[in-house]
Amino acid sequence: QLQLQESGPGLVKPSETLSLTCTVSGGSISSSNYYWGWIRQPPGKGLEWIGTIYYSGTTYYNPSLKSRVTISVDTSKNQFSLRLSSVTAADTAVHYCARVIPTYHDGSGSYFDYWGQGTLVTVSS
Amino acid sequence: QSALTQPRSVSGSPGHSVTISCTGTSSDVGGYNFVSWYQHHPGKAPKLMIYDVSKRPSGVPDRFSCSKSGNTASLTISGLQAEDEADYYCCSYAGSYTWVFGGGTKLTVL
Repeated sequence: QLQLQESGPGLVKPSETLSLTCTVSGGSISSSNYYWGWIRQPPGKGLEWIGTIYYSGTTYYNPSLKSRVTISVDTSKNQFSLRLSSVTAADTAVHYCARVIPTYHDGSGSYFDYWGQGTLVTVSS
Repeated sequence: QSALTQPRSVSGSPGHSVTISCTGTSSDVGGYNFVSWYQHHPGKAPKLMIYDVSKRPSGVPDRFSCSKSGNTASLTISGLQAEDEADYYCCSYAGSYTWVFGGGTKLTVL
């Protein structure tokens, strides 16, 4: 059974960089059949797609976050990571990692079939 | 890229049916047959319920169905059960390798 687990600091200061890692178990992050994604949910609000990565390093980002987001993959550790720079209180959210099933090989279409339980990151001084 | 529009809440009695709408634009919901729905019990991992507008993953009861007309997708849950009480989110491919979610709908089983 595939499992995803988010980890990282729960508190980040304004203007600093949020860093989270998603560890994948029960499956290989290097599989050519899947992409991997990050989604967040601010308190009391809906879900927001942050970005998606393929094991080769191909990335797709939410245009509204693109200037601040970096998603990377470490196939040796079966992990992928999220970095969000210059955070503000508006970036406070539960962050989820998920496996992405691509409709087409280039990753377009797609849906999220397995999710982690999420981790809350609070931006506060 | 704006969030898809969902009703904040819906409710229904056990055994009855409810429908949750998800309205977007011709650039997302209306432009692609790549709408998915997720059930979320707070504190737990979201669960995929529907993908590609109307397909159900194995293990999801056929009480859950979805359709799309124009820029609006609709999730129908029939034979409501207490365990269906959760938040539901729609998601659509929005072109150019981007995805957009809805604001979420809280389903209450009366």
